[in-house]
Amino acid sequence: SQQGEEDPQALSIQEGENATMNCSYKTSINNLQWYRQNSGRGLVHLILIRSNEREKHSGRLRVTLDTSKKSSSLLITASRAADTASYFCATDLSGTYKYIFGTGTRLKVLA
Amino acid sequence: GAGVSQSPRYKVAKRGQDVALRCDPISGHVSLFWYQQALGQGPEFLTYFQNEAQLDKSGLPSDRFFAERPEGSVSTLKIQRTQQEDSAVYLCASSPNPTGELFFGEGSRLTVL
Repeated sequence: SQQGEEDPQALSIQEGENATMNCSYKTSINNLQWYRQNSGRGLVHLILIRSNEREKHSGRLRVTLDTSKKSSSLLITASRAADTASYFCATDLSGTYKYIFGTGTRLKVLA
Repeated sequence: GAGVSQSPRYKVAKRGQDVALRCDPISGHVSLFWYQQALGQGPEFLTYFQNEAQLDKSGLPSDRFFAERPEGSVSTLKIQRTQQEDSAVYLCASSPNPTGELFFGEGSRLTVL
């Protein structure tokens, strides 16, 4: 079973617009990660945010974490056609070594 | 190589055949994970190794699935008597430590006819 759920399931935007996707999870975590997956490829790590952090930036990416609501958001600013991919959040279950992935958001950026 | 390498990239098996999928992690990475990804879904955890020790195999769907990492580097996921529901992409990931960034291979796509 998957602990995280991304919202929306699919998102289509114009190049240059911002894309926001959300992730909700169910149990306590140590950290949360976001990954990107191009069609037919493996996953690529984007950013890791620890449970004691509220916001983190990396280039055009901004991630927030609200542990009280058990949710995170990923913002991609000034999107490009090359950002077209599926995006997944992954949470570690406290006390285990598992990383549990969400269902993913399929982002399409139109040129 | 610099990244995680998986082979074969594509495997077609007849129902009932046994298959073996190989993962070469990044050199020196202690942690190794196997995930199963069905079409349009997120990766589902199968099993976790720390060096040669299999610390968690709770995600293996049945006793037909077996994974090993005998020398703490290369890992093999074996599926016996394959069934159609085993068709999926099998992803391997390694990490220098259990709680950090995962480095994924390109996956092995298994199709069971």
